[in-house]
Amino acid sequence: DIQMTQSPSSVSASVGDRVTITCRASQGISSYLAWYQQKSGRAPKLLIYAASSLQSGVPSRFSGSGSGTDFTLTISSLQPEDFATYYCQQTDIFPLTFGGGTKVEIK
Amino acid sequence: EAQLVESGGGLVQPGGSLRLSCAASGFTFSSYAMSWFRQAPGKGLEWVSVIGGSGLPTFYADSVKGRFTISRDNFKNTLYLQMNTLRVEDTAVYYCAKYKQGGTIREGFDYWGQGALVTVSS
Repeated sequence: DIQMTQSPSSVSASVGDRVTITCRASQGISSYLAWYQQKSGRAPKLLIYAASSLQSGVPSRFSGSGSGTDFTLTISSLQPEDFATYYCQQTDIFPLTFGGGTKVEIK
Repeated sequence: EAQLVESGGGLVQPGGSLRLSCAASGFTFSSYAMSWFRQAPGKGLEWVSVIGGSGLPTFYADSVKGRFTISRDNFKNTLYLQMNTLRVEDTAVYYCAKYKQGGTIREGFDYWGQGALVTVSS
């Protein structure tokens, strides 16, 4: 199975800050990576697919980059509605696997 | 717009069975592979199973293989997860989700249900 390692596990940030979350795969997955946002008690929401493609309706302050084993999700200017937990997911092969999550909290 | 609504969750004793349903609307259900995920209380996301648009192929996580069965009824636009021999560690919120692109996992899952809580406890 492909292991996905996210860091940091949590980050405290202020509105307007730039936030970067990293995700590392235990083996190369080309660009087959998705990022999800999950708010407490809600279903995950697709933000980024194919490592860098922005899902329709998602604000442009979210961006993704990377290929192979190293990936990044960046929020360019954190907004109040962005405080949530973020997960990466490899979409290359079964079993599909997720990173452990990064909780973005208010500083 | 696509909508997915799960039902069938509840409390069950260890060793018991439960069937989850996921009613789909707003898209051509038979054209999309579908998947189940779960999230234990306070934990991260875990993939459970997937089924192709026609009902094949199916894949399972090792943690549920041989105990859970995924199926679908394309006439009723409904996805199912039959869960047998349930264990305490199966306690979780179960989500159904739709592939973003019909037959490939490569673009992730763009619509998710609201989740159904399954509690396995004596």
